[in-house]
Amino acid sequence: DAKTTQPTSMDCAEGRAANLPCNHSTISGNEYVYWYRQIHSQGPQYIIHGLKNNETNEMASLIITEDRKSSTLILPHATLRDTAVYYCIVRVAPGGGADGLTFGKGTHLIIQP
Amino acid sequence: GAVVSQHPSRVICKSGTSVKIECRSLDFQATTMFWYRQFPKQSLMLMATSNEGSKATYEQGVEKDKFLINHASLTLSTLTVTSAHPEDSSFYICSAGIAGVSGEQYFGPGTRLTVT
Repeated sequence: DAKTTQPTSMDCAEGRAANLPCNHSTISGNEYVYWYRQIHSQGPQYIIHGLKNNETNEMASLIITEDRKSSTLILPHATLRDTAVYYCIVRVAPGGGADGLTFGKGTHLIIQP
Repeated sequence: GAVVSQHPSRVICKSGTSVKIECRSLDFQATTMFWYRQFPKQSLMLMATSNEGSKATYEQGVEKDKFLINHASLTLSTLTVTSAHPEDSSFYICSAGIAGVSGEQYFGPGTRLTVT
C-alpha cells in the first residue's frame, strides 16, 4: 500500500470547517483513499473513502486532487466531539475488506471551544 | 448497521495467566476479522488476520503460540493471550469487513488489558 503523510496535529475552532490534508504521492491507479478516526480510548471509526471523484456523506467530504497525489478530508461544522486522531490510509481496490489496515501516525485534530 | 462488539472492555490479570477476548459482529457476517494492538501514544498495529474456519495469519513478530486466535463462526472471533506478562498490557482492538462490499472495516470498541 502507498505511504501517506499527514500533519501531526491541527487545531480548529468549534463550528468552523476542519480541513485535514493527506499526501499520497506514490498512490497507484487501483488504490483508494480511506479515512478513519479514533477518539481517545475507542476503536477506530470509518469515515469515508474514494478513488478519484470527490465524495460526501453524512460525516464528511473527501476532496481528491486530479493527479490523486493528495486529498483533503473536510468536516463541515466541527464540534468538540470531532476531537480525535484522523488516519488517511491508501489501499488497493476493495475486495470485501480482506486485508488488514496499515495505520500511520495520523493527525490529532483538536477542536477548540 | 455494521456493529462490532468486544468483551470484556477492560480486564486486569496476573502475570502468567491467560485472558480471552471476544469479538462479535452483531448484524452482519464476517468471513474475515482482524486483531490489532495499540500501545500508549502509538498507532494501531495489525497482529493477525482471522478467517472463519481456518488458521489465522499472523504478522511478522507476533507469536502465534502466545496469541491464540479462533474464528469458529461467521460472527465470532476470539483472541487468547496466553501466559500474559506486563509487556502484553495494551489496547486490543478487533475489526471485521463485509465481504463483497466496498472494503471499509468496522472496529470494535477495544479491550484494555492490564497485566500485573
